[in-house]
Amino acid sequence: DVKVTQSSRYLVKRTGEKVFLECVQDMDHENMFWYRQDPGLGLRLIYFSYDVKMKEKGDIPEGYSVSREKKERFSLILESASTNQTSMYLCASSPDTWLYFGPGTRLTVL
Amino acid sequence: AQSVTQLDSQVPVFEEAPVELRCNYSSSVSVYLFWYVQYPNQGLQLLLKYLSGSTLVKGINGFEAEFNKSQTSFHLRKPSVHISDTAEYFCAYYSSASKIIFGSGTRLSIRP
Repeated sequence: DVKVTQSSRYLVKRTGEKVFLECVQDMDHENMFWYRQDPGLGLRLIYFSYDVKMKEKGDIPEGYSVSREKKERFSLILESASTNQTSMYLCASSPDTWLYFGPGTRLTVL
Repeated sequence: AQSVTQLDSQVPVFEEAPVELRCNYSSSVSVYLFWYVQYPNQGLQLLLKYLSGSTLVKGINGFEAEFNKSQTSFHLRKPSVHISDTAEYFCAYYSSASKIIFGSGTRLSIRP
């Protein structure tokens, strides 16, 4: 079975902190994604990557950056966390056109 | 513009009753369509997918969906639901730009 793991299920940070969300997949997928999920807004794509060291902006990249130094790992970085970044963050990897999701990280920014 | 529309934000049904969750898409090119399920406090899980071939697609947990090209729909059905089917269901569409577009979700609640 494909496994996508995220470093934390719950995270509480303060405004202005730098936040790292880590995602690791074990199936050698080239494609990896970061989404955020908010009530009433569904899933919104933040960034995605098709290969190591490659990244592309999704629909809402502002306030975020990403890093893909190794194929299995895709990190989401909040350079300076703000309260409007309180959300559920979902990482996913993909072998083709469908996604395998991690369990999600619920981030609260105080 | 390519989009996915889930017509119902919430669907309440009684246990053992049939259910249909509706999904319509808009696209002028070949489509790949998916349904995902999200149980409380979990990530999304692929329920079923349509890539090509038979328009009736069977998935996990007794769910099935039918691709209807003329109506641009991909409705999800189950003949008899169980309490454990309580979850949020997302229809999704693969676009030629290699991004997957999600619908806004349908929350299925099962009443005993």
